[in-house]
Amino acid sequence: DVKVTQSSRYLVKRTGEKVFLECVQDMDHENMFWYRQDPGLGLRLIYFSYDVKMKEKGDIPEGYSVSREKKERFSLILESASTNQTSMYLCASSASGRTEQFFGPGTRLTVL
Amino acid sequence: GDSVTQMEGPVTLSEEAFLTINCTYTATGYPSLFWYVQYPGEGLQLLLKATKADDKGSNKGFEATYRKETTSFHLEKGSVQVSDSAVYFCAPPSGTNAGKSTFGDGTTLTVKP
Repeated sequence: DVKVTQSSRYLVKRTGEKVFLECVQDMDHENMFWYRQDPGLGLRLIYFSYDVKMKEKGDIPEGYSVSREKKERFSLILESASTNQTSMYLCASSASGRTEQFFGPGTRLTVL
Repeated sequence: GDSVTQMEGPVTLSEEAFLTINCTYTATGYPSLFWYVQYPGEGLQLLLKATKADDKGSNKGFEATYRKETTSFHLEKGSVQVSDSAVYFCAPPSGTNAGKSTFGDGTTLTVKP
């Protein structure tokens, strides 16, 4: 059974902390994505990666960075968390040339 | 660029009612089209897909037909259940980057017993 896993389902952090959200997929997919989901705003793409060490900005990259050192792992980094980054974060992956995406269960992050 | 227009929610239905959620798209060529579903507290999962024009995707009693003449991919189910309560997303590919889909707000469906 194919899987995308995220390191935490729920996370509470304080303003100014550095936050790491980890995502791992076991499908040998080339493409990986980070989204945030907020009521009334839908799913918005933060960053995506087409290959190891490659990354591209999505629609709302400000305040975030990413790291992809290995094909199966894609990390989202909040350098200095702020309250407006409280959200549900979803990771996804897809095979090269294919548009069907596989999603993780999400991490609900609260920044106090 | 490619885009999707999805019926706004929320939608509230009684159990066994007929469901239609409209989705129209603009795209270059005829890309694969998808419907995803998100159950409460979970990530998105693929519900059904159609890979070419006139294809019908189906799963769990849901159906959607890829109609190129109307550029539509409406989701339908003949008799909804309480367990179908979820958020539904229509997603064609975005732009020319393979693997990148555009997700809108989704349509929230609540089915009451």
